[in-house]
Amino acid sequence: GQQLNQSPQSMFIQEGEDVSMNCTSSSIFNTWLWYKQDPGEGPVLLIALYKAGELTSNGRLTAQFGITRKDSFLNISASIPSDVGIYFCAGPMDSSYKLIFGSGTRLLVRP
Amino acid sequence: DTEVTQTPKHLVMGMTNKKSLKCEQHMGHRAMYWYKQKAKKPPELMFVYSYEKLSINESVPSRFSPECPNSSLLNLHLHALQPEDSALYLCASSQHLSTEKLFFGSGTQLSVL
Repeated sequence: GQQLNQSPQSMFIQEGEDVSMNCTSSSIFNTWLWYKQDPGEGPVLLIALYKAGELTSNGRLTAQFGITRKDSFLNISASIPSDVGIYFCAGPMDSSYKLIFGSGTRLLVRP
Repeated sequence: DTEVTQTPKHLVMGMTNKKSLKCEQHMGHRAMYWYKQKAKKPPELMFVYSYEKLSINESVPSRFSPECPNSSLLNLHLHALQPEDSALYLCASSQHLSTEKLFFGSGTQLSVL
């Protein structure tokens, strides 16, 4: 079945550094979503991507829909302590409405 | 109002108890979801309701019983749970079933003793 592989699994960075993480699949996705989850909270939608090659920004966050439609990237510029959390990529399975989530990238920011 | 509200935030129950989790949204969304999330894992889909009708049941054990009384409310009734059912239970909603953007509540952290 379809799977989303995220890397890296975790990152521990210095405040002010830029961050990159990615999500790959062996299958084609028509939509890529990036969520952030704080401890003890539900995931919050950061960015939605709908077209191959699309580059979308939300403040310091920038995400790209890979040209092959099998990957997506999320960049965070000038990280701050409140960026701490788990970042999940997600996409709808096959031609269904079921969202599947990647395994997550845990981000820790050192002040 | 762009919130999905879940109650209670925390719940501790014994294996013989019956309890219910509640979820409410006032965004006019017609699709509502229950997800289960174990620690350090991604959310896993349990149930999907579309226009108050159950659309998807991901082979969830019958000790979990969902209910959608109206377009704004979603309940999850719990009975005879096992310790391995301890998890964060997340409710989500979207405009329609075909809309990928899901809005999640803060979840109910459930502990089964």
